[in-house]
Amino acid sequence: DTGVSQDPRHKITKRGQNVTFRCDPISEHNRLYWYRQTLGQGPEFLTYFQNEAQLEKSRLLSDRFSAERPKGSFSTLEIQRTEQGDSAMYLCASSGPGVDGYEQYFGPGTRLTVT
Amino acid sequence: GQQLNQSPQSMFIQEGEDVSMNCTSSSIFNTWLWYKQDPGEGPVLLIALYKAGELTSNGRLTAQFGITRKDSFLNISASIPSDVGIYFCAESGNQFYFGTGTSLTVIP
Repeated sequence: DTGVSQDPRHKITKRGQNVTFRCDPISEHNRLYWYRQTLGQGPEFLTYFQNEAQLEKSRLLSDRFSAERPKGSFSTLEIQRTEQGDSAMYLCASSGPGVDGYEQYFGPGTRLTVT
Repeated sequence: GQQLNQSPQSMFIQEGEDVSMNCTSSSIFNTWLWYKQDPGEGPVLLIALYKAGELTSNGRLTAQFGITRKDSFLNISASIPSDVGIYFCAESGNQFYFGTGTSLTVIP
């Protein structure tokens, strides 16, 4: 399977704990995106990498959130001191260089539940 | 922030009927993308549009990039039960916005 993969698929954590999610993009894609989606809403943009550089960050990305893409391949999204409002589906997408570079392909998501 | 408004919010149709949904924005966009999302899964890209007036087909799906660059339409012909899901429009380029979604239910 050469699609975008995310790990874990589900995470249940207690309020105040830290969690980290991983995303592996399609291998030739140089752009990687993180989104958050709550029930009944469309995905909301969090942040975007081109290679290892983090180029855009949404105001939704509070200081408890940090994303990295150290070698320009996989990425991690960490949430520190989780709150119940962080419960959501966290989606990763990637896109390639070239004229079709705006076509984002999504992974299956990580569903976070904060109790 | 920017919002992409989709209509209708939900649709209930008989199998075999054609479906039409649209997406509007207050800003000019350079790229329109249409996605379908099943429950508990990530969105799947259906069609990408890059030019004003562009009409693109993917099987039973047809999408158009509005001339004003502020809207887009998605049509599904001869709907089947597996078309059930939530359809999102999105802009990907200078900005990364998703629409509010259209929920489609197909009654066999």
